Amino acid sequence: QQPVQSPQAVILREGEDAVINCSSSKALYSVHWYRQKHGEAPVFLMILLKGGEQKGHEKISASFNEKKQQSSLYLTASQLSYSGTYFCGTGYQGAQKLVFGQGTRLTINP
Amino acid sequence: GAVVSQHPSRVICKSGTSVKIECRSLDFQATTMFWYRQFPKQSLMLMATSNEGSKATYEQGVEKDKFLINHASLTLSTLTVTSAHPEDSSFYICSATYPGLAGRHTYEQYFGPGTRLTVT
Repeated sequence: QQPVQSPQAVILREGEDAVINCSSSKALYSVHWYRQKHGEAPVFLMILLKGGEQKGHEKISASFNEKKQQSSLYLTASQLSYSGTYFCGTGYQGAQKLVFGQGTRLTINP
Repeated sequence: GAVVSQHPSRVICKSGTSVKIECRSLDFQATTMFWYRQFPKQSLMLMATSNEGSKATYEQGVEKDKFLINHASLTLSTLTVTSAHPEDSSFYICSATYPGLAGRHTYEQYFGPGTRLTVT
């Protein structure tokens, strides 16, 4: 079943912060975050594993709450280059494939 | 590292013809490759999972006879759209799994640049 992302879209000014959430109805093993720009393939950002962890990548970090079966992606002091559609891909125990959320469209304005 | 190429990037074909799309992992051996289809402003829809040396596993609702997948080696998978029709027009993306963290089955996926197929 497809994970649910929220919000569906967000518009920010450069320098503002954003949080994107990803929730699953099934027990998660891993959560993968990707950013896709228009007409291009998704780019891998980071992966979080069961056990509840946080990770950071420059000014982009994420957390994984195993009990709530959800993950959040944090973008701080957003830059114009952060614009794009963010997808979470959820992985389940014993399965290689990912199920992707519907995406969150992020627009950063100067 | 973890570069995946896809060829061609764009293809226009006539209705009824077949089109082959190649997906290669350039700097690693991919245990598994995935094929996705994406419509404008929509999510990635998994079509099939491809393992080297074995038959592809298709998702429910995907016609295996229409979308032929061959995984010839640990670095190459191909998708052939047979007897293409206008409704097959879409953005097709492949991904390859990277072995991931030692001892943990993380299966990070790295995506190719995609192929935009237009059937006229």
